[in-house]
Amino acid sequence: AQSVAQPEDQVNVAEGNPLTVKCTYSVSGNPYLFWYVQYPNRGLQFLLKYITGDNLVKGSYGFEAEFNKSQTSFHLKKPSALVSDSALYFCAAPLGGNNRLAFGKGNQVVVIP
Amino acid sequence: NAGVTQTPKFRVLKTGQSMTLLCAQDMNHEYMYWYRQDPGMGLRLIHYSVGEGTTAKGEVPDGYNVSRLKKQNFLLGLESAAPSQTSVYFCASSYVTGGNEQYFGPGTRLTVT
Repeated sequence: AQSVAQPEDQVNVAEGNPLTVKCTYSVSGNPYLFWYVQYPNRGLQFLLKYITGDNLVKGSYGFEAEFNKSQTSFHLKKPSALVSDSALYFCAAPLGGNNRLAFGKGNQVVVIP
Repeated sequence: NAGVTQTPKFRVLKTGQSMTLLCAQDMNHEYMYWYRQDPGMGLRLIHYSVGEGTTAKGEVPDGYNVSRLKKQNFLLGLESAAPSQTSVYFCASSYVTGGNEQYFGPGTRLTVT
């Protein structure tokens, strides 16, 4: 079955330090992979996606993600975290046809001032 | 351009009551989705639609019904609410082509007592 896994429940990082949020996938064929962010009491916002091509994908708010086929991973990164990056982050991959998505359980990121 | 909107924002129901959640999008998207979000479980797909007049079951369809009479609207109904349906409900929409990101509404927080 198509799925994604986010192995950590919460990531704590000091402001200004690099931020990494981990995601591994189990998807047949060439995967489409997505990252979304959810701020408190808001809907999900699209950050970036991998379709094909360059393994390093750049997205909104200074985030980037690296697609690694051999490790079946798609980790989200930001070189220097801000307090405003504190939010819930979701990795997602196609569930099947019709653009349906399977979401990971989410990672709470806490950036400490 | 409002994007995806949801009404109501909050609702409290008693067990056995019914209600309808309304989702509207103004982006001319073909595909629309209903998810529920529960702590530690990510988002789970309830039902989805690939066009006006069509609906299909997702991962957790039991206890819910949907209708898509107009392209821009997608309704989620609970005929007889149960406490297990206490959750935050999100609507999303997307273009048809695979790999297109989904756009999310702000959510409806439903409590069933």
